[in-house]
Amino acid sequence: GAGVSQSPSNKVTEKGKDVELRCDPISGHTALYWYRQSLGQGLEFLIYFQGNSAPDKSGLPSDRFSAERTGGSVSTLTIQRTQQEDSAVYLCASSLGSFEKLFFGSGTQLSVL
Amino acid sequence: DAKTTQPPSMDCAEGRAANLPCNHSTISGNEYVYWYRQIHSQGPQYIIHGLKNNETNEMASLIITEDRKSSTLILPHATLRDTAVYYCIVYNTGKLIFGQGTTLQVKP
Repeated sequence: GAGVSQSPSNKVTEKGKDVELRCDPISGHTALYWYRQSLGQGLEFLIYFQGNSAPDKSGLPSDRFSAERTGGSVSTLTIQRTQQEDSAVYLCASSLGSFEKLFFGSGTQLSVL
Repeated sequence: DAKTTQPPSMDCAEGRAANLPCNHSTISGNEYVYWYRQIHSQGPQYIIHGLKNNETNEMASLIITEDRKSSTLILPHATLRDTAVYYCIVYNTGKLIFGQGTTLQVKP
């Protein structure tokens, strides 16, 4: 596709369950970012992948959060043992590389009951 | 941590120019100034970026002071669809950190 694709668009889960969120970046983009945005709040950086370099995981809020990027393309954000405070919109973005503008997906709305 | 300071909110009359200020007094020589905006319920959208010189594109103009410690984003003829949160970010490489931004309300 032409843009960053995220799936699912909405996810409702029960507290304690694991969830996986997927991001398909724009083809050829070497950089990929995950952010989350709680209701009425700003964007919180989670993790950043650049090419084959080790990812910058400094924004992950706890060890329940992890992310992978396979083959330099698709990325999966996994949240284990979800908590109610994990409820937010999770946004993925990609760019051609450093100094390049980010293109954002439409996000995944996660609701933990 | 965000390295920029923006007013939390601003109003602008439809059809008038919207001038959004940003302070970045600790910017270093190789950091760019980027502007993004987020319209309600959507992912952020890139607007413009610059290093030293003023920049203009189809969406906006970016004016950077000579000492680079502040900048202004100008929307020349604001429309109701420009109502959004506008983020000013200084950035080199690595993670892009968003601050709280300025909520611009364009009024008829």
